Amino acid sequence: AQSVTQPDIHITVSEGASLELRCNYSYGATPYLFWYVQSPGQGLQLLLKYFSGDTLVQGIKGFEAEFKRSQSSFNLRKPSVHWSDAAEYFCAVAHNQAGTALIFGKGTTLSVSS
Amino acid sequence: EPEVTQTPSHQVTQMGQEVILRCVPISNHLYFYWYRQILGQKVEFLVSFYNNEISEKSEIFDDQFSVERPDGSNFTLKIRSTKLEDSAMYFCASSERAGAEAFFGQGTRLTVV
Repeated sequence: AQSVTQPDIHITVSEGASLELRCNYSYGATPYLFWYVQSPGQGLQLLLKYFSGDTLVQGIKGFEAEFKRSQSSFNLRKPSVHWSDAAEYFCAVAHNQAGTALIFGKGTTLSVSS
Repeated sequence: EPEVTQTPSHQVTQMGQEVILRCVPISNHLYFYWYRQILGQKVEFLVSFYNNEISEKSEIFDDQFSVERPDGSNFTLKIRSTKLEDSAMYFCASSERAGAEAFFGQGTRLTVV
């Protein structure tokens, strides 16, 4: 069965420092991969997605993620974190063929210190 | 920018009562979904809906749950007899096609007392 693991429950980063949030997935074929962000009391906003092609994908708000098939990973990165990036981040995988359901990881809470 | 809208934002209901959560997906989208997030836990898939029928559902989506698209715009989730453990944030989402990115609504917080 598909699964998504986000090993870090909570990360604190200083404002202006770089960020990497880890995501590992378990899936038989090449999956569709997503990163969503959820601010307190808000819904889920898509940051970026990977379907195929270039393994380094760019998203909104200066985020990027790299798909590494050999490591079954899709880590999210940002070179310089802003205080407004404090939120919960979810990695998700969808069925490749049907693509009609997302399996989410448990999420990583990002805190930004000044 | 088109968005998915959900009503109400918060609903409190007594155990055993029926609740209907409402969603208006993005107008040109064909796939519709419900997810839930129990407080402090991950977002869980409940059901997907396409062409006026359920295309996929999780083991969470048992007989007490049902979905409907009663008209051309609304997409509803009904819980027939609510239990305390149904308390959660329920998210509606829609996508243009299978595998496309899903756009999520702001959620309905359901509290069962």
